[in-house]
Amino acid sequence: QKEVEQDPGPLSVPEGAIVSLNCTYSNSAFQYFMWYRQYSRKGPELLMYTYSSGNKEDGRFTAQVDKSSKYISLFIRDSQPSDSATYLCAMSEIKAAGNKLTFGGGTRVLVKP
Amino acid sequence: GAVVSQHPSWVICKSGTSVKIECRSLDFQATTMFWYRQFPKQSLMLMATSNEGSKATYEQGVEKDKFLINHASLTLSTLTVTSAHPEDSSFYICSARDWGAHGGGTQYFGPGTRLLVL
Repeated sequence: QKEVEQDPGPLSVPEGAIVSLNCTYSNSAFQYFMWYRQYSRKGPELLMYTYSSGNKEDGRFTAQVDKSSKYISLFIRDSQPSDSATYLCAMSEIKAAGNKLTFGGGTRVLVKP
Repeated sequence: GAVVSQHPSWVICKSGTSVKIECRSLDFQATTMFWYRQFPKQSLMLMATSNEGSKATYEQGVEKDKFLINHASLTLSTLTVTSAHPEDSSFYICSARDWGAHGGGTQYFGPGTRLLVL
């Protein structure tokens, strides 16, 4: 079993819809949670960073963390074709050597005009 | 936001030659940088952690003599693929940890370097 599980998709939605992404994890020592967006042939771009359980909002993006269920989510409101990309969740332990990240496998998202 | 650059963005080389990839943090100092490898439609695989002024820490299964890492300054880390072979063809991505951002620090990624070994 992988430490971080993420549905690979692809997830296809019409423009303007809400995109819902999630990851589950097994390591209770994970305390920092991140979402990255990666366009084809590009490096990942940090979207959201959360530490505590609860919700965090930034523009059209909302990140949720439920540590009791070991479950994190990312919601994208009013999705645009430019949001079509692969979304990677990542997490790390507080005392992880060098702050190593453990990634999910990524979910491909396609927003259709 | 923090910016990380990589050079070159792509490189084609002959089998048996060595290739050097540079990773720079442009607007912050990074005591720690990371090197990843990514195959098509797969997630990132951590190869090694690069610490400024000390030896890199390699992940299990990564040949340290094949993938030489040097972190000579707080803004530059290099990855040298020695005696490259076609199976080394991949997308190599670096990241740098910015302790100035978010109390625990987070990683910002470079744009990646695509290596094709003929």
